[in-house]
Amino acid sequence: QSVLTQPPSVSAAPGQKVTISCSGSSSNIGNNYVSWYQQLPGTAPKLLIYENNKRPSGIPDRFSGSKSGTSATLGITGLQTGDEADYYCGTWDSSLSAGQVFGGGTKMTVL
Amino acid sequence: QVQLQESGPGLVKPSQTLSLTCTVSGGSISSGAYYWSWIRQHPGKGLEWIGYIYYSGSTYYNPSLKSRVTISVDTSKNQFSLKLSSVTAADTAVYYCARMVINLGSWYFDYWGQGTLVTVSS
Repeated sequence: QSVLTQPPSVSAAPGQKVTISCSGSSSNIGNNYVSWYQQLPGTAPKLLIYENNKRPSGIPDRFSGSKSGTSATLGITGLQTGDEADYYCGTWDSSLSAGQVFGGGTKMTVL
Repeated sequence: QVQLQESGPGLVKPSQTLSLTCTVSGGSISSGAYYWSWIRQHPGKGLEWIGYIYYSGSTYYNPSLKSRVTISVDTSKNQFSLKLSSVTAADTAVYYCARMVINLGSWYFDYWGQGTLVTVSS
């Protein structure tokens, strides 16, 4: 059971938009920045979004992030087949069991 | 371009200690701007953070693994290492090393190693 809750899967057609939600609590998302990672099949995770909505150099603006209260959302527009991957949200949890926590991951399929 | 590379045995016997090393190139562990982490991923599952170390040697571990984990750093070799004791089959996973940014409520991993599969089996 992950501390952050993500939908197990999402899907959309090429060219369309998809959003992936990440739900937490006041001890994690509510008081810390959120990051998002893309894991293509058989590869290591790659940073997509940091500090809720910032993109590292080289990440296209088709990827966006937002946060409201204790939830965060990753948006992907202009879907491409190469975007098929697992997506994870992450943040720091400041509860008694403090530490870096991740969502359970969302498998994104391009139909 | 920063690169991280994990190395170590791919097979460990139950009750023994898992030992991995991460070699960092393209940047210095001693720069002081970053923390250095280990993260694992059980087969077909999500990510689990294990802990981090600062170049000075200060560490912070996942409370759920704290009793079995030791992370150390060798700045002369630009490496940091993971030891996980008393392993069981539940510790079978792909282990990643990663560079961690910690800054005023912001915690994220900007560079990752390719990962190494460690299987615990007799």
